[in-house]
Amino acid sequence: ETGVTQSPTHLIKTRGQQVTLRCSSQSGHNTVSWYQQALGQGPQFIFQYYREEENGRGNFPPRFSGLQFPNYSSELNVNALELDDSALYLCASSLAVSRGAGEAFFGQGTRLTVV
Amino acid sequence: QQQVKQSPQSLIVQKGGIPIINCAYENTAFDYFPWYQQFPGKGPALLIAIRPDVSEKKEGRFTISFNKSAKQFSLHIMDSQPGDSATYFCAAGAGNQFYFGTGTSLTVIP
Repeated sequence: ETGVTQSPTHLIKTRGQQVTLRCSSQSGHNTVSWYQQALGQGPQFIFQYYREEENGRGNFPPRFSGLQFPNYSSELNVNALELDDSALYLCASSLAVSRGAGEAFFGQGTRLTVV
Repeated sequence: QQQVKQSPQSLIVQKGGIPIINCAYENTAFDYFPWYQQFPGKGPALLIAIRPDVSEKKEGRFTISFNKSAKQFSLHIMDSQPGDSATYFCAAGAGNQFYFGTGTSLTVIP
């Protein structure tokens, strides 16, 4: 177990709706990253939050947004859901270090199905 | 554009065999190279990772070999077991994000 928890585990939404996914980071970690993993593919970076601010963003449209709270937990919000948003959404927790990238631990993910 | 290329897509070995999964990258800014194991319906679990100043790292039955000049790295699983059957992802990181390979589905036959 990584200590990274995500909720809910499964979710079904209708196209056009909005969704909020939640992540609690591992104790001692101050950075949260979100990834989208389509079926049969590797995870794709959505964005990262550090000290409650967005610290880098992948190739995802603005309808993907996030928040990080003072306790380092995080939310991923997706507006105007599209069928292609159906995927496993993963949260990764890490401790920011000055020497580039470092260990990141993933939660079990939230399986989002858009119908 | 795929930042990290992974092969093979799938691999079948007998119990006790040594599966090898290979990855290649182009961006020399990458400074951290982890391998993740993922079971169906679960999140990726960190197995082992290496930085480019080291050519090999071993943890238990898992070994990473790293060739900085060729920009390639590989995962070896010694004495593979049926419980190792999973999908394996290599990744490369720089700063705030990882780029993942497309995954290798490993099946270890008893």
